[in-house]
Amino acid sequence: AQSVAQPEDQVNVAEGNPLTVKCTYSVSGNPYLFWYVQYPNRGLQFLLKYITGDNLVKGSYGFEAEFNKSQTSFHLKKPSALVSDSALYFCAVSYNFNKFYFGSGTKLNVKP
Amino acid sequence: SQTIHQWPATLVQPVGSPLSLECTVEGTSNPNLYWYRQAAGRGLQLLFYSVGIGQISSEVPQNLSASRPQDRQFILSSKKLLLSDSGFYLCAWAKMNTEAFFGQGTRLTVV
Repeated sequence: AQSVAQPEDQVNVAEGNPLTVKCTYSVSGNPYLFWYVQYPNRGLQFLLKYITGDNLVKGSYGFEAEFNKSQTSFHLKKPSALVSDSALYFCAVSYNFNKFYFGSGTKLNVKP
Repeated sequence: SQTIHQWPATLVQPVGSPLSLECTVEGTSNPNLYWYRQAAGRGLQLLFYSVGIGQISSEVPQNLSASRPQDRQFILSSKKLLLSDSGFYLCAWAKMNTEAFFGQGTRLTVV
C-alpha cells in the first residue's frame, strides 16, 4: 500500500533558525514525492518534487528536501525560517501519477 | 498557462439537500482530475479521481458521487447531504510526470 507519514503535528522554530519538517513514505517500487504548503482556507501550493536524479531537491521560497531511500524519508528543510513560512505543510507520494496520497500535515509556527 | 477554477468558495446547505460542486481546468487537455476532502484543516482524503471523460474511480464509500461530462470538467454531487459531509473540498489536476495542481477549495458547511 502507498502511504506517507508526517510524524509531527506541529513544529515550532524561531525566525532565522533552520527548520525541518519530517516525512517518511511506505510504497512499493520507486516513489514520486512532493511537498505542498497550505495557507488558511486556501488550496495547496506546490513547493518541490523528487522524481529521479539528485537526491537533494530545491524548490520555491528557499525550501529544499532530501530524498533518502535507505531511510524512506523526504524531509523538508530551509536554512533560515521566516515568520511568513508559518503554514500547514503536506508531504505527498505517488507511484504512477494516477493517484496522489497525502500525509496528515504538519503545522509550522515560526516565531519572531 | 494552465488554471483551475473551483466554485463556489463557500456553501452552507441544510441536511438532506442536494450538492453540486464544479471544477474546470483551462490550458491543458486530458488531465487526470481529483476530488479531495480535508476535514478539520488537516489531512487530505482522496475521494474520486478520473483519467478521462466518464471514467470515475471512487476511493472510499460515501454519500457522494462524481462525474466528468467533459474533458476538463469535474463535478462532485450528492443527492442528500449529511452533517458528516461538512469539510473543505479541493479539486486538483495532474498529468503524467507532473505534480498535482489544486483549486482554491470550497468550504461546505452542512447545517
